[in-house]
Amino acid sequence: EDQVTQSPEALRLQEGESSSLNCSYTVSGLRGLFWYRQDPGKGPEFLFTLYSAGEEKEKERLKATLTKKESFLHITAPKPEDSATYLCAVQARTGNQFYFGTGTSLTVIP
Amino acid sequence: GAVVSQHPSWVICKSGTSVKIECRSLDFQATTMFWYRQFPKQSLMLMATSNEGSKATYEQGVEKDKFLINHASLTLSTLTVTSAHPEDSSFYICSARDQGRPNQPQHFGDGTRLSIL
Repeated sequence: EDQVTQSPEALRLQEGESSSLNCSYTVSGLRGLFWYRQDPGKGPEFLFTLYSAGEEKEKERLKATLTKKESFLHITAPKPEDSATYLCAVQARTGNQFYFGTGTSLTVIP
Repeated sequence: GAVVSQHPSWVICKSGTSVKIECRSLDFQATTMFWYRQFPKQSLMLMATSNEGSKATYEQGVEKDKFLINHASLTLSTLTVTSAHPEDSSFYICSARDQGRPNQPQHFGDGTRLSIL
């Protein structure tokens, strides 16, 4: 069964304190793994797509990496405006459906 | 970048009312759109996949007569919550993907907060 698990559920960081969020997945053939950011009361905002193990993508203070079993979202020197819920989703090679994790709620304290 | 517009953003109505939510892809065509429901502090729950020109595919446990989906064009899908009751109150979010680019991500609307009194 296709499944996505994110950890931790919640994370509090001091401004400038780097850390990583984890997304573990089980899927019958990975088409793509996607990271989104969701602010309260808003729809998810697309961040990255990763297609194969070893791939990395960067955007400002965020860097996403992928292995055959998990993905990490590394946050370097976070700022309060990085506070949000970060969602991970995978898409199998067959079908259109995305499988979402339950997210990591990140709070960055000034 | 790809933009998906969802309307309305907030609805408050009486029990028994039917509510229609629109989802539009503004700069790409989408043969497939997705409707999600999200409860507070929980992740997205896929309700149905909306297919242009054909019937929607509903997830297990989602009542198709309760949540009517119409995908009449390549840029518009609608979700109608029929005879809404307080337990239907939730945050509903749609998404769409560029039909010409199957490996691309889903792009989401900003959601509709539905409150049934």
